[in-house]
Amino acid sequence: NAGVMQNPRHLVRRRGQEARLRCSPMKGHSHVYWYRQLPEEGLKFMVYLQKENIIDESGMPKERFSAEFPKEGPSILRIQQVVRGDSAAYFCASSQTAVPSFLAEAFFGQGTRLTVV
Amino acid sequence: AQTVTQSQPEMSVQEAETVTLSCTYDTSENNYYLFWYKQPPSRQMILVIRQEAYKQQNATENRFSVNFQKAAKSFSLKISDSQLGDTAMYFCAFILQNRDDKIIFGKGTRLHILP
Repeated sequence: NAGVMQNPRHLVRRRGQEARLRCSPMKGHSHVYWYRQLPEEGLKFMVYLQKENIIDESGMPKERFSAEFPKEGPSILRIQQVVRGDSAAYFCASSQTAVPSFLAEAFFGQGTRLTVV
Repeated sequence: AQTVTQSQPEMSVQEAETVTLSCTYDTSENNYYLFWYKQPPSRQMILVIRQEAYKQQNATENRFSVNFQKAAKSFSLKISDSQLGDTAMYFCAFILQNRDDKIIFGKGTRLHILP
């Protein structure tokens, strides 16, 4: 059973371009969480999705950022018109049930490091 | 709103020593879970240990144990007989129980185990 797969591992974009980050959750997992990690910072929550639904997007900037988790295929975090401040590591986590269940564990991918030049 | 604070940005200890990483949190809720995650240079986030707030007994996983002080809202991680492979960033994290909610992380402590 492969872990949470994120691709690409590294992504370089020029200012103004679009960045698309993909996350394939573990098999059987229907809950996906996206986090952003800035240098020397912890992980900041961005968005929580279940299949075809956004449950909580309170951590995601209102403009330029969007996320989806379609019925088929990976979850996508999309950043339009990237700026230098978007440079960060973006982590995806998935769980089989909602994480507040003690038996549920959120498994993290290895992240995508986005560099905006 | 819930917050998690890790007051030690960086620590270094000799191999085989015991080290304690501190974490405090703030919440007005009574039911929640606490976690410690390890992030080695590979950047993979690995769950180290977790604690249910309603349990008084401190969680233990091999060389890793916690000191959970609910009244003080403190959740420190103790690593015994530290090994070189323990070198990593360690994040304390919090989540409310019985809610569709997100995990909240502290800023992390960078731990160096010296040979």
